[in-house]
Amino acid sequence: DSGVTQTPKHLITATGQRVTLRCSPRSGDLSVYWYQQSLDQGLQFLIQYYNGEERAKGNILERFSAQQFPDLHSELNLSSLELGDSALYFCASSPIAGGGETQYFGPGTRLLVL
Amino acid sequence: GQNIDQPTEMTATEGAIVQINCTYQTSGFNGLFWYQQHAGEAPTFLSYNVLDGLEEKGRFSSFLSRSKGYSYLLLKELQMKDSASYLCAVTSNDYKLSFGAGTTVTVRA
Repeated sequence: DSGVTQTPKHLITATGQRVTLRCSPRSGDLSVYWYQQSLDQGLQFLIQYYNGEERAKGNILERFSAQQFPDLHSELNLSSLELGDSALYFCASSPIAGGGETQYFGPGTRLLVL
Repeated sequence: GQNIDQPTEMTATEGAIVQINCTYQTSGFNGLFWYQQHAGEAPTFLSYNVLDGLEEKGRFSSFLSRSKGYSYLLLKELQMKDSASYLCAVTSNDYKLSFGAGTTVTVRA
């Protein structure tokens, strides 16, 4: 158990819908990272927040957005869902925001878009 | 950006040794991680190298050569539970962690 929690564990929805994935970092960690893992693409970095502010952006679609709240939990919003958005979405956290920090991953949310 | 290459699959026998190679090209290198991921589960941290040389941690060792853009993960005394995907990931000064596609290791009895 990494100490990072994610909800829900599974999510099934239809194309065109919007969903929100939630992540609580390890106690004391200020940075939260979001990743998408699909069968054919491996782990793709989406976005990072540090202490409430966006710190780095990866291959995140415009239909996706995220935020980090004052209590440091984070939400990833996925809208206008498409079949290709079906994937495992992982959240990770680290103490600060240094490039050399170990990231600890949550159990993931498995999203299925039908 | 980063370009990270590692073999897709490897098979080895229980009790044997397997070496997973990873080559990378990046700017602003700030370290290399190895993670283990069992199917459908979260990646778990194995090792971190930022300086050249070998880091040993129990049955697992990781090596880095920055000048060659090369790393390997060495798994000794293989056990069935070591069957998993092993992800090489490179971090840079822009705070991003870029992952390779992963190497699936199958341990056979």
